[in-house]
Amino acid sequence: AQTVTQSQPEMSVQEAETVTLSCTYDTSENNYYLFWYKQPPSRQMILVIRQEAYKQQNATENRFSVNFQKAAKSFSLKISDSQLGDTAMYFCASGGYQKVTFGTGTKLQVIP
Amino acid sequence: AAGVIQSPRHLIKEKRETATLKCYPIPRHDTVYWYQQGPGQDPQFLISFYEKMQSDKGSIPDRFSAQQFSDYHSELNMSSLELGDSALYFCASSLRSRNRSDQPQHFGDGTRLSIL
Repeated sequence: AQTVTQSQPEMSVQEAETVTLSCTYDTSENNYYLFWYKQPPSRQMILVIRQEAYKQQNATENRFSVNFQKAAKSFSLKISDSQLGDTAMYFCASGGYQKVTFGTGTKLQVIP
Repeated sequence: AAGVIQSPRHLIKEKRETATLKCYPIPRHDTVYWYQQGPGQDPQFLISFYEKMQSDKGSIPDRFSAQQFSDYHSELNMSSLELGDSALYFCASSLRSRNRSDQPQHFGDGTRLSIL
C-alpha cells in the first residue's frame, strides 16, 4: 500500500524567487519511484522530475530539484527562479511496479 | 517524440448511456494505466494492463471494464453512466523492465467526460 501526503494546499511565490513544495510518503515496496507532476490549467499531467528510491543523489532537472530523505520518507520539490508558467497544481506521487498513487496536490501561484 | 494519445478529448453523455474511451500508448510501451480525476481531486487509479493481461485493479466500478489489445492500445468501457462519472480520465503508459519498477508513467492529455 502507498500513501502520499501534501500538507500545503496552496502556495504563492514571487516571480524569480525560490519555492519549496513538501511531500511525505509511505510505501511497503522496496523498489519504487517518486515523482512530481505538474498540472496546469489545461489539465495536462506533465512529469516534472522523478527520483529512483535506490539512488541517494537528489534528482535535478534545470530549475527543478528534489530533496529526497529516504529515512524520513520525505520528497520535497524546489523550484528556483520561478516563472509565470510554473503556475499550476503540483502532485507528488509514488509508484512501484503497479499504479502511481498521488497526493492531493499543491496549487502554486507565481506572482508577477 | 510520440506521446500517449487519448480519444476522444471530450465526450458528453446522458445518464444510463455507455461510453468507450480509447488510449494509444507510446510506441514499444507494454503497460497501460487508467486514472480518474474528479473535479478538484487527485487522480485515482482504476486499472492497469501489462502485455494485454490485467495487471492491477484499483477503485474501478463494476459498471466499467477495460482491455488491452494486441497492438497495446486500450479501451475503457463505461456503462450505465452516472452523474458522478463526470471526470477527466487519464491514460498512462510505461515500459516495464525486469529488474526495477516501471519507468515513469507518461500521461495522455485525458478525456473529459461530462454526464448530463
